[in-house]
Amino acid sequence: AQKITQTQPGMFVQEKEAVTLDCTYDTSDQSYGLFWYKQPSSGEMIFLIYQGSYDEQNATEGRYSLNFQKARKSANLVISASQLGDSAMYFCAMREGLNFGNEKLTFGTGTRLTIIP
Amino acid sequence: DTGVSQNPRHKITKRGQNVTFRCDPISEHNRLYWYRQTLGQGPEFLTYFQNEAQLEKSRLLSDRFSAERPKGSFSTLEIQRTEQGDSAMYLCASSIRQQTYEQYFGPGTRLTVT
Repeated sequence: AQKITQTQPGMFVQEKEAVTLDCTYDTSDQSYGLFWYKQPSSGEMIFLIYQGSYDEQNATEGRYSLNFQKARKSANLVISASQLGDSAMYFCAMREGLNFGNEKLTFGTGTRLTIIP
Repeated sequence: DTGVSQNPRHKITKRGQNVTFRCDPISEHNRLYWYRQTLGQGPEFLTYFQNEAQLEKSRLLSDRFSAERPKGSFSTLEIQRTEQGDSAMYLCASSIRQQTYEQYFGPGTRLTVT
C-alpha cells in the first residue's frame, strides 16, 4: 500500500482564491510527522509546513495551513489567497517512527498547482 | 546563513562511466540525506548520515552506488558503471535535531545517462 497518496495530479485555481491540496497517509506508528514541500520549476524542494502526530492544533505558517484529521489519516494543505508565484509541484511527505530515530521522508507523487491570473 | 549546495548542477555521461556528486550541507547541520527523484515522481530516500556515520541505506542503493561523508561535513555520492535507469535528479538535504524535524534541500544534480 502507498504510504502517501496524493490523488490530484494537477489543479488550476484562479488567483486570490483559496486552494486545498489533498494528502492521505498510511502508518501504524503512533509518533510520526507530516510535511509539505513546494518544488518550483527550478527543482529545489522548499519546506512549507510541518504537523506532528501529537500536535493538537493544526499547523499554520503564513498563508499555509495544514488541515490534520488524524482519524481519517489526512493532512491536506490549504493555501489562502493564492498568488501567481504559488504555481509549482507540491509534495506531501511523512516521517514515521519519530521516537525511534527514523530519519527518512516518504513522499507522495505530488500535485501540480497552476494559478491562473 | 547559506543553504545546501550541490555540484555539479547538471551532468551528462555515457553509459558505463562513473560519476561523483558533491553536497555541502548547512554548516551546523549534522544530518545529511540523499534522495533520488525521477520524472513525475516524488523524491525517494537513498541514504542518511549522522556526522560521518552512514546510519541507513535504502535497498534502492545498489552496489554500484556509494556515499561518503568523511569528516562529517560535505558528502559525495558516486555511481559506478552508470546505466540509463540512473538518469534522475539527485537531491541532498540536511537537518539539525529540532522540534520540527524538517529537512532542507539543495537544488539537486540532474544526471542524464546517454
